[in-house]
Amino acid sequence: GESVGLHLPTLSVQEGDNSIINCAYSNSASDYFIWYKQESGKGPQFIIDIRSNMDKRQGQRVTVLLNKTVKHLSLQIAATQPGDSAVYFCAEIIQAGTALIFGKGTTLSVSS
Amino acid sequence: DAGVIQSPRHEVTEMGQEVTLRCKPISGHNSLFWYRQTMMRGLELLIYFNNNVPIDDSGMPEDRFSAKMPNASFSTLKIQPSEPRDSAVYFCASSSTGDGGYTFGSGTRLTVV
Repeated sequence: GESVGLHLPTLSVQEGDNSIINCAYSNSASDYFIWYKQESGKGPQFIIDIRSNMDKRQGQRVTVLLNKTVKHLSLQIAATQPGDSAVYFCAEIIQAGTALIFGKGTTLSVSS
Repeated sequence: DAGVIQSPRHEVTEMGQEVTLRCKPISGHNSLFWYRQTMMRGLELLIYFNNNVPIDDSGMPEDRFSAKMPNASFSTLKIQPSEPRDSAVYFCASSSTGDGGYTFGSGTRLTVV
């Protein structure tokens, strides 16, 4: 089965709200996690990453939280904008030297 | 930097025909990945290369699929013979370190009729 999965397939928010996209993973040995954004007709685009020795990492308007106890990853987007509308994927690398494994994705819809 | 370049963007072919998808990674990147994306199965890793050498091809669905990387600037994914269930978007990605900093191409949308 899937090693990485998402709690909700769709999320609808109003412009200006904060968005939280969740992800559960099953492999406790996973060392590295990444969030990707995919807009329609394009390839996935790197947003932010976090290693297993951290529990929080912040970027511009985005924060990733990692809870290894419950094997949960979340992406928080502050002041969501229409341009944030896309499919968001969490992905993991289980061990060094292997490739990214992607979850199924959450569709974020932002209305103005 | 032009990014990862894939061709063609769209391909429509008849069942049984050979299909070749092409990828030019970012110059200097030493890892290259082929993924397939469908609604049902999401993004699946097919194969990846490090320094032009195939490392893991366990995701290649059948012997009908083959991939090559003859040099650091070019890779192909071939399907022969193609079947309707191969219809998907095929992405190529490259990385300089092999970690999550992958850069994806725009994909090839393959339709097999």
